[in-house]
Order: sequence, then structure tokens, then C-alpha cells
Amino acid sequence: DTAVSQTPKYLVTQMGNDKSIKCEQNLGHDTMYWYKQDSKKFLKIMFSYNNKELIINETVPNRFSPKSPDKAHLNLHINSLELGDSAVYFCASSQDVMASGGGFFGPGTRLTVL
Amino acid sequence: KQEVTQIPAALSVPEGENLVLNCSFTDSAIYNLQWFRQDPGKGLTSLLLIQSSQREQTSGRLNASLDKSSGRSTLYIAASQPGDSATYLCAVNFNKFYFGSGTKLNVKP
Repeated sequence: DTAVSQTPKYLVTQMGNDKSIKCEQNLGHDTMYWYKQDSKKFLKIMFSYNNKELIINETVPNRFSPKSPDKAHLNLHINSLELGDSAVYFCASSQDVMASGGGFFGPGTRLTVL
Repeated sequence: KQEVTQIPAALSVPEGENLVLNCSFTDSAIYNLQWFRQDPGKGLTSLLLIQSSQREQTSGRLNASLDKSSGRSTLYIAASQPGDSATYLCAVNFNKFYFGSGTKLNVKP
């Protein structure tokens, strides 16, 4: 049973394109996140949603637009892709906003912008 | 703003050694702290979660400690094995997860 799943696993695209990454969790958690891992392997939060409501937005360019159709899904849409967007994007979930049970991370989506 | 530092950045040891990975953070008002393992090209595997009220957690050969007042956590790995080779990440939960840059561990057979 996959707790947090992401699709696609790999995404290769040209600069200027628009792409989406999907995330689903089957843990019944209320809170979901998107993290970006750069080339130096540093993980940094981008967004957090709690019960479909945006609660954290970390100075991310507005080309990035998260959407949460329900609390089990948090998708990430990226417009006008740039070279610097190349990274691994991780989706995560936690029981609640305090993550009292810890964080559960998806397998990651490796985005390469050419 | 919370800053998380992991030392050392890389560590190479012979099989069978006991080792300690360090994590320090600047703000002690944390909810919990989580240690993860990341294999090359893979996702994050949770190893241990320590709540802010706890001092340590153990799982098999792994033991994690937490000293909130000094802003430190350690991950102790006993009798290391080549299969332990990976990057170990410390994540401090301070209304969101703040990650250190990791310790890359290589255990030589």
C-alpha cells in the first residue's frame, strides 16, 4: 500500500512549457506539503495545505500554483518552466498542522527542464 | 527563522563501527524532530520520530536523542553495515519541516 504517491516519477520538458505533478495520500491526513530538493540535495518547503486550505506559501514564484481538490490530493502546476525549476519535488502529508505523527513523504518527481 | 545544521557532511567508516550523526537547530520551540534516510535517486524513508517531550527513541540498531534546550539531536547507528550507506536527513518540525543538508554515510565492507 502506497501511503503518499506522486505522478509522474520523471518529467523532462522544454523551457516555457506548463506541467503538472499530482500527489495523493491514502492515510486520511489533513495536511499536505510540497517540498523542492535542489541540486545540492537541500529540501525546502514550498506550500502547505490543511483541509484544502493554503496555510503556508514560502516566497515561491507565482508560476507555481498548488491545487487541492480534496484533502487527499495536492497537485502542483507550474507555468512557463525555467531551467532553475529543475529539481526533485516531494509531496508529503501529516496528520495535522503540527505533524504530531511526523511527516510521510512521497517518492519524488524528478523534473528536468531543457 | 529556524536553521538546521548537520555535521559531518560526509562520513566514511569501515563495517562494524558505531557512529554518531549530529543535528543542531536554532529555535528550541519545536513540535518534534524526525530522522530520515535517503538513498540515491530515491525518496525519504522515515527512521525515527522524537516528540518534543521525549529524550530518545530507538529502533533496532538506531537510537536518536533530543536535547531541546541545547538545540541538538544525535542519531547513533550501532554496528554499521554496508546497507546503511545513504544520506541521513534531520527534519525539525517548527510548524513546518526544516531540513538539514544531510550527512552522506558510506560504510565500507
